[in-house]
Amino acid sequence: GEDVEQSLFLSVREGDSSVINCTYTDSSSTYLYWYKQEPGAGLQLLTYIFSNMDMKQDQRLTVLLNKKDKHLSLRIADTQTGDSAIYFCAENNAGNMLTFGGGTRLMVKP
Amino acid sequence: KAGVTQTPRYLIKTRGQQVTLSCSPISGHRSVSWYQQTPGQGLQFLFEYFSETQRNKGNFPGRFSGRQFSNSRSEMNVSTLELGDSALYLCASSPGQGRGNEQFFGPGTRLTVL
Repeated sequence: GEDVEQSLFLSVREGDSSVINCTYTDSSSTYLYWYKQEPGAGLQLLTYIFSNMDMKQDQRLTVLLNKKDKHLSLRIADTQTGDSAIYFCAENNAGNMLTFGGGTRLMVKP
Repeated sequence: KAGVTQTPRYLIKTRGQQVTLSCSPISGHRSVSWYQQTPGQGLQFLFEYFSETQRNKGNFPGRFSGRQFSNSRSEMNVSTLELGDSALYLCASSPGQGRGNEQFFGPGTRLTVL
C-alpha cells in the first residue's frame, strides 16, 4: 500500500516562517492536500495542489510540490499562535479516498 | 452553506453493543467518505459512498458497514463493538465528480467503548 510520511513535531517562534514536509509514494496521485486539526475538532482543509503544478500560494500559505522526489511542503509565513495545531498531508487515491500522513504537530512560541 | 454535520458528537458504548453514526453532507454534495482516527493508527479510510452506492472500501472488518440515502445523508454502523473501536469517526463531504475534489470534514463523533 501507499505510505505518506511526515515529521512528528515542529516548533517555531511567532512571526517566523514554518515549513512542514511530507513525502508520498503513490505517483498516480492527482491531488495532494493539507489539512489542519485543532484539539477536539475535525479536519479543516487548508489548501490542495494539482499534481501538474509546482507551487501554489494562498495568502500566508505556500505549497511546493516536487513530483520527481514525491515531496510536498507547506510553508506558513508570519506564523501566529493560532496556527498551533496538527497538520496532515494527504494524497488522493481511488475515487475520493485519501491516504493521510501521521501528522506534524506545530507549536508556535510567543 | 451549512457545513458537514455529524451526530451524535459523543457516544459511550460497551463491548458487544452496536452503534450507528450519522453524517449530513454539504448541500449538493453527493459523496460521503468515512474515516477512523486513533492515536495508534492515525487517520484510516473506511469507505466512500456516492449516489447511494459504495464506491471504495478500506481495510476494515465486516463489522463496519455503511449506507447512503437518496438525500446523500450517510450512516455508518459498527456491530459487536470492541475496545479497539474507540476512536474519532470523521465523515467527509465532496461534490464527488472524479478524483481530487475538495473534501470537507465534519467535527466527528467520538466513540468510547468500555
